[in-house]
Amino acid sequence: AQSVTQLDSHVSVSEGTPVLLRCNYSSSYSPSLFWYVQHPNKGLQLLLKYTSAATLVKGINGFEAEFKKSETSFHLTKPSAHMSDAAEYFCVVTVPLGYMGRRALTFGSGTRLQVQP
Amino acid sequence: EPEVTQTPSHQVTQMGQEVILRCVPISNHLYFYWYRQILGQKVEFLVSFYNNEISEKSEIFDDQFSVERPDGSNFTLKIRSTKLEDSAMYFCASGREAITDTQYFGPGTRLTVL
Repeated sequence: AQSVTQLDSHVSVSEGTPVLLRCNYSSSYSPSLFWYVQHPNKGLQLLLKYTSAATLVKGINGFEAEFKKSETSFHLTKPSAHMSDAAEYFCVVTVPLGYMGRRALTFGSGTRLQVQP
Repeated sequence: EPEVTQTPSHQVTQMGQEVILRCVPISNHLYFYWYRQILGQKVEFLVSFYNNEISEKSEIFDDQFSVERPDGSNFTLKIRSTKLEDSAMYFCASGREAITDTQYFGPGTRLTVL
């Protein structure tokens, strides 16, 4: 079975300060891991993904995440928050589904990021 | 840049009515998905579709739900007899290759069942 836990439902930072959104996963197989962002009244946008290549993954808008197998973590970071980063962030996992490719995405419960001026 | 589109953006229906939610996946994609997000809750997988058949479905996807790719471009989700608890945002997603995993999401259809 696969699952993902986002450790914080809500994170508040000041503009210009670092962002850390935490995610732990559970998987019996080699997982692929993603971060998606959802702005208010918008769809889900892919920020970055890990698929067993480099463990440090760089995404759009200055975000990056590091896959740590020993800690089963895939935390999302950004050195300096911008007001436009305020949104809901979802950590997502998927695992192999035999010949069909990969199992459907399992979403975490989301972390709402608030950026204060 | 190509993107997944969904129509309508908002659908209001009476309990017991049938609804069809429409999606146009990215044109060279082969894998199609429906997810839903009840207000205030996490995004949940409903069904995946490949090679004109369902490849995986969740326990949410019961006999009231069906999917179809009627014409090679559209991908539809039908709910036969809507219930109040079907009210949610429904997201369509598509992917080019299962092995690369990335799913591209549409903007969603908000379904309100009265």
